[in-house]
Amino acid sequence: AQSVTQLDSHVSVSEGTPVLLRCNYSSSYSPSLFWYVQHPNKGLQLLLKYTSAATLVKGINGFEAEFKKSETSFHLTKPSAHMSDAAEYFCVVSTYSGTYKYIFGTGTRLKVLA
Amino acid sequence: DTAVSQTPKYLVTQMGNDKSIKCEQNLGHDTMYWYKQDSKKFLKIMFSYNNKELIINETVPNRFSPKSPDKAHLNLHINSLELGDSAVYFCASSQDINEQFFGPGTRLTVL
Repeated sequence: AQSVTQLDSHVSVSEGTPVLLRCNYSSSYSPSLFWYVQHPNKGLQLLLKYTSAATLVKGINGFEAEFKKSETSFHLTKPSAHMSDAAEYFCVVSTYSGTYKYIFGTGTRLKVLA
Repeated sequence: DTAVSQTPKYLVTQMGNDKSIKCEQNLGHDTMYWYKQDSKKFLKIMFSYNNKELIINETVPNRFSPKSPDKAHLNLHINSLELGDSAVYFCASSQDINEQFFGPGTRLTVL
């Protein structure tokens, strides 16, 4: 069965320092993986996706993620945090059984300190 | 040019009432979904429709009944609302490119 584990429920960083949000996946075949961001009281916005092309995926707002099959990881990084990055981040794995179904991680709340 | 829209944005109602949430997408996608986000922010799929046909039903209580009049709309009707139904409900749509586009959410509060 497909699943994702977000290793940290909360992450705090200072503005201007790097961001690392960790995600491990479990999949019986080559997965499709996504990171979504949810700002307070807002909907979900796609940051980036991995669908078996380049293992280093660049997304919006300076975020990127690297697919590492040997480590079953898809960690999200950003070189320099901005106050506007404060939000909830979800790692998602996609399965297919007639239609694409998302399995969400439990989310990581990113706090950016001034 | 909202891609996936939901109405209402907020819904406050009493236990036992029946309510509906509407969703519309203008992306031309064939598949639509309903998700429930609980108070701990956990998101779980409830239903999926493809071209008006039910594809996924994640053992949701039968008080919840999705209805898809056409492939651009997927409405969620909830009978006999309970306290535990309080959550944020998200609609989403996708084409076969394996990427889902989410609506802004409907916050349902059952008193």
